[in-house]
Amino acid sequence: GVTQSPTHLIKTRGQQVTLRCSSQSGHNTVSWYQQALGQGPQFIFQYYRKEENGRGNFPPRFSGLQFPNDSSELNVNALELDDSALYLCASSPLPGTGELFFGEGSRLTVL
Amino acid sequence: TQLLEQSPQFLSIQEGENLTVYCNSSSVFSSLQWYRQEPGEGPVLLVTVVTGGEVKKLKRLTFQFGDARKDSSLHITAAQPGDTGLYLCAGKLSYNTDKLIFGTGTRLQVFP
Repeated sequence: GVTQSPTHLIKTRGQQVTLRCSSQSGHNTVSWYQQALGQGPQFIFQYYRKEENGRGNFPPRFSGLQFPNDSSELNVNALELDDSALYLCASSPLPGTGELFFGEGSRLTVL
Repeated sequence: TQLLEQSPQFLSIQEGENLTVYCNSSSVFSSLQWYRQEPGEGPVLLVTVVTGGEVKKLKRLTFQFGDARKDSSLHITAAQPGDTGLYLCAGKLSYNTDKLIFGTGTRLQVFP
């Protein structure tokens, strides 16, 4: 399945964070979502064949990468308190199906 | 702003009861997914509906996509404690990305 690391982390305002995701075997599309407490997930961006394939309403300090083995990372610079959330990575065999396989998420707390 | 409104937000029922969760939007979706999320886990896909008016059944769960592809419902018959969780609907606007618009969710608690 989809694995994410770390599972929990605490940062302070202004710091930078990198979250990692290993996609399900055979999946070459990775999406990242942010889920604030009590809310549904919000789309950050998607990567397909190492290129960004769609982006949500998030500022440029949210950036990502997809590696040749289809794993991915999400980087967030200049952390703000409102960035505290569960960050979900999801993989799919091809973009556009809407049928995503989610990891368990990385819980980020910004103090 | 594309919004997907779910109702009710919370539902607490006894085992054996029936329930319906609604998902409404003013946007037309190319497809709509229902996911279930349990505490400490990521959402798990239950079903995808694509065609307006489509009805899909998954054991005791019945999913319907509105004729205009703007709304959907999830009906659970004879709910069981194992159905407890957060139910999320998610609409897809574009055909070539997985930018899903998620609803705020319906938290279901089924008591034995």
